[in-house]
Amino acid sequence: SQTIHQWPATLVQPVGSPLSLECTVEGTSNPNLYWYRQAAGRGLQLLFYSVGIGQISSEVPQNLSASRPQDRQFILSSKKLLLSDSGFYLCAWTRGDRGLTGANVLTFGAGSRLTVL
Amino acid sequence: DQQVKQNSPSLSVQEGRISILNCDYTNSMFDYFLWYKKYPAEGPTFLISISSIKDKNEDGRFTVFLNKSAKHLSLHIVPSQPGDSAVYFCAASVRGGSEKLVFGKGTKLTVNP
Repeated sequence: SQTIHQWPATLVQPVGSPLSLECTVEGTSNPNLYWYRQAAGRGLQLLFYSVGIGQISSEVPQNLSASRPQDRQFILSSKKLLLSDSGFYLCAWTRGDRGLTGANVLTFGAGSRLTVL
Repeated sequence: DQQVKQNSPSLSVQEGRISILNCDYTNSMFDYFLWYKKYPAEGPTFLISISSIKDKNEDGRFTVFLNKSAKHLSLHIVPSQPGDSAVYFCAASVRGGSEKLVFGKGTKLTVNP
């Protein structure tokens, strides 16, 4: 069965410090990978998605970046955190071989709570 | 511009009664809709979905209704249970097209014993 792991679960960082959140998926190959953020009162906002190694699509201009160094690894980074980067970050995946009729049902990780002080 | 809207940030119902959560969308290209349930400090979990070729999909206590002409869908939970208390997110996508799900802001459901 497929599982998704995300860490760290909680993180408290000072403004201006770097960030690295990591996500890995097991039990599947060539998944589509996503980073979402849930900020207070703002629902789930798509930040990045990737359909393959080294392929990253950014949804919103921001202080963050994403990388996919391996097929089942997705990393969210920042060189200098801002206060506004605080939130609950969620990694998710779908099968990459859905074809034109496949349904886009995301499976989420447990999330990473980031507090920037 | 918010393409998926959940206009009620919260809803409170009594145990055993029906819970109705609403969702509106603006993008007529959306043809696949999903509901996710989220507990605090956890990732959302998939609950139920519906394709635009249907107007109703039922799974146990959960039923989703889709009104394409009104660009509106709703999730009915009958009977509601205290364990259903969570934040419910509506999401939409273009099936077979964009790789992205667009989520609403969520509705916090509280089921009182």
